[in-house]
Amino acid sequence: SQTIHQWPATLVQPVGSPLSLECTVEGTSNPNLYWYRQAAGRGLQLLFYSVGIGQISSEVPQNLSASRPQDRQFILSSKKLLLSDSGFYLCAWSGAAVGTFGSGTRLTVV
Amino acid sequence: AQTVTQSQPEMSVQEAETVTLSCTYDTSESDYYLFWYKQPPSRQMILVIRQEAYKQQNATENRFSVNFQKAAKSFSLKISDSQLGDAAMYFCAYRPYAGNNRKLIWGLGTSLAVNP
Repeated sequence: SQTIHQWPATLVQPVGSPLSLECTVEGTSNPNLYWYRQAAGRGLQLLFYSVGIGQISSEVPQNLSASRPQDRQFILSSKKLLLSDSGFYLCAWSGAAVGTFGSGTRLTVV
Repeated sequence: AQTVTQSQPEMSVQEAETVTLSCTYDTSESDYYLFWYKQPPSRQMILVIRQEAYKQQNATENRFSVNFQKAAKSFSLKISDSQLGDAAMYFCAYRPYAGNNRKLIWGLGTSLAVNP
């Protein structure tokens, strides 16, 4: 069965510091991968999606970037965090008819 | 463009009662998937139920069932015998059947409270 791993679960980072959140998928090949951000109390905002290695599409302009160095690895990064980058970040994969999510990372920028 | 609308930001239900959460969507596609996800306070996203648009039969998973009205583009979720553990945010989502990126289109969610 397919599983998705996302880490870390929580992160507190100072403004201006770099960021790297990692997501890996097991049990499937060539998945479509997604990074979402969820502001407190509300819906999901799609940040990036990837249909293959090295293929990244950005949904909204922002301080973040994404990379897919391997088929089942998806990384969300920033060179310099802003206060507005705080939020809950979810990685997801979509294969066939199922969308499965990682457990999320709560990022607080201080 | 495809959109998903959840018109009820908050709902509540008494324990053991039945509640229905509404979802409507807009698409010009004929084949697609519809989903209901549950997000409890832990914020883990949990797939509750899935419906393929080409299937006329409504999907059912234990106490959860949907009323899928394709012509009306409506996809409501019914929770029977509500339990305290059902309290969560519920998100409705749409995904086209074909296409390369398979992006999920999300509603804004409905917060469900279950009263003992």
